[in-house]
Parts: sequence; structure tokens; C-alpha cells
Amino acid sequence: GENVEQHPSTLSVQEGDSAVIKCTYSDSASNYFPWYKQELGKGPQLIIDIRSNVGEKKDQRIAVTLNKTAKHFSLHITETQPEDSAVYFCAATGMEYGNKLVFGAGTILRVKS
Amino acid sequence: GAVVSQHPSWVICKSGTSVKIECRSLDFQATTMFWYRQFPKQSLMLMATSNEGSKATYEQGVEKDKFLINHASLTLSTLTVTSAHPEDSSFYICSSYRTSGYTDTQYFGPGTRLTVL
Repeated sequence: GENVEQHPSTLSVQEGDSAVIKCTYSDSASNYFPWYKQELGKGPQLIIDIRSNVGEKKDQRIAVTLNKTAKHFSLHITETQPEDSAVYFCAATGMEYGNKLVFGAGTILRVKS
Repeated sequence: GAVVSQHPSWVICKSGTSVKIECRSLDFQATTMFWYRQFPKQSLMLMATSNEGSKATYEQGVEKDKFLINHASLTLSTLTVTSAHPEDSSFYICSSYRTSGYTDTQYFGPGTRLTVL
């Protein structure tokens, strides 16, 4: 089955700097890769996603890149702000998994002001 | 994004009692909903897939008689933790699966914190 590895487990950046979180997946048949932001005591919030027919997607300060050959995808946050501090989860899925998401272990992002 | 609600947001109960958690998809119909469990500082663990009008599909190791799931309508799924014990204390999160052609996506509820005394 699918396995998703996420790095780093914790990331501290200075406000205004960029943050990059990387995930690798094992099943080349996976074709959908969402990223979720989870604040303390809340449910995960979808922040951006990408499908396998696209190499990059951007939404304001957030971007995701996908390398299908290497089977990895990354979340890029530019001009970080204190409110970006949260836990970020990547996930992967495909039709053969019944669209069930396989999550990475999560990254704690701390933005220092 | 889409709105998914959960009720209650937190619940404290005595050991041996049953607790029902509701998950509602407020702005779209969902034939499929998912139930997750999350322990502190850990990732989400899928418990079961809830299908409207049919039996839920449970992940390996999840007791279906302990975690009863009912997907009675296209906007409501319920999870009942039966005969709860302290080890069932956790953060329970549901998600609704939105199918919209190319943009199939899961949207999560705010979670329910269960504490069993």
C-alpha cells in the first residue's frame, strides 16, 4: 500500500522567511496530493492540493510542487507570518485506495516574530 | 472551502457509557464520509469509511461493534463509541468527500474531543 514520509518533523523560521516541507510517496499510481493545516484543537484545513497532471500550483503565498518521477511533493510558504504557525500534514491517494488519504506524520511549523 | 460541522465539540463521559458524535456536511451532499482518530502529537488515523445507505467499511484493527457508524443521509454521519473506556479518549475527526468531477476533495470537521473518566 501507499506510504508517505514527511520531513522535517519540526521547522522554525523567522517571520518573513520562507518555509519548505517535503513529502515522498511510494505508490506511483497515487494521483492526488493535498496539504492540510491543523491548528491546536481544531480539525485539518485544506490549504492547497495538486493532481498528478500538474507540476506546480500556487495560491498567494502558498505553492506546491510535484515531481512524479522522484515521487515527492513539497509545500512552499513564502513571507511567513506568525499565524502560519501550525501543524502541516501532506497526504496522498488515488482511485485504487478508494480515495482514502494516506497522511504523512506532520510538520510543526513555528514562525518566530 | 466546504463546511463540515461536528457535534459535540467536546464531551466527558463515565466509563461504560456510550457517546454519539454527529458529522454534518453543511453545503454539499456526501455519499462518502470518513472517521479519523488522532492522538496528541500524532497524525490522523483512519478508522472507517462511512457510505450513505450501506454499511461502513472499517480499517484493520478497528472494532466495528465498538465504533458504530451510521450514514443515514447524504449530509449526516454518526459515530457512536459504545461502552467507552479511558483508552477511547481521543480527538475524533470526520471528513466529507466532495465529488465534483475533477476536483474530488476531502473536507474535515472541527473535531470532537472525547474524555472518558
